[in-house]
Amino acid sequence: DTEVTQTPKHLVMGMTNKKSLKCEQHMGHRAMYWYKQKAKKPPELMFVYSYEKLSINESVPSRFSPECPNSSLLNLHLHALQPEDSALYLCASSQNRGAWPTDTQYFGPGTRLTVL
Amino acid sequence: GQQVMQIPQYQHVQEGEDFTTYCNSSTTLSNIQWYKQRPGGHPVFLIQLVKSGEVKKQKRLTFQFGEAKKNSSLHITATQTTDVGTYFCAGPGDDKIIFGKGTRLHILP
Repeated sequence: DTEVTQTPKHLVMGMTNKKSLKCEQHMGHRAMYWYKQKAKKPPELMFVYSYEKLSINESVPSRFSPECPNSSLLNLHLHALQPEDSALYLCASSQNRGAWPTDTQYFGPGTRLTVL
Repeated sequence: GQQVMQIPQYQHVQEGEDFTTYCNSSTTLSNIQWYKQRPGGHPVFLIQLVKSGEVKKQKRLTFQFGEAKKNSSLHITATQTTDVGTYFCAGPGDDKIIFGKGTRLHILP
């Protein structure tokens, strides 16, 4: 299985809502990532987990809270978001051997988030 | 900071014409990766180049890594409508992959 899955595909939320994005992979990868992608821009790294521990936080606002319950799952909890947070949120995984966190990224289909 | 520059930003070609996108780094890279993102889709890994001067082919796609390991190119021969999308190069930074801004390819029928 070479797939990374993400739910939901689309999410519309108000600025006072709390929601969560979910990501799952069954490739045995031990590094998992959250990226944010705005239209016509490259993916922008938010967080990296290695062996279920948060390794990199790219100075992301606290209204985004990541969680890695186990080696296959990655969540992103959202609270009090702003309209400018509307974007495609991509989960990715990699093998976490040798060259991590710069080794090949396997991306999920993403969650398209709209904040009203 | 480390940068990966990619040109052109956009390219419109007639179906059947060739297409090339170029990637340049401010520093020597240990490897370069290429990804394709279809409209409405997500980035999909295409290939990784590691050796100086390396050339790899995938059907109509030819990938090159420069001798100095600071530049790379992706060339598509005889484009087809299925080639539409944004092509990103990416190089290893200190603690993350550095993506180029991408080249958006449009195919005119």
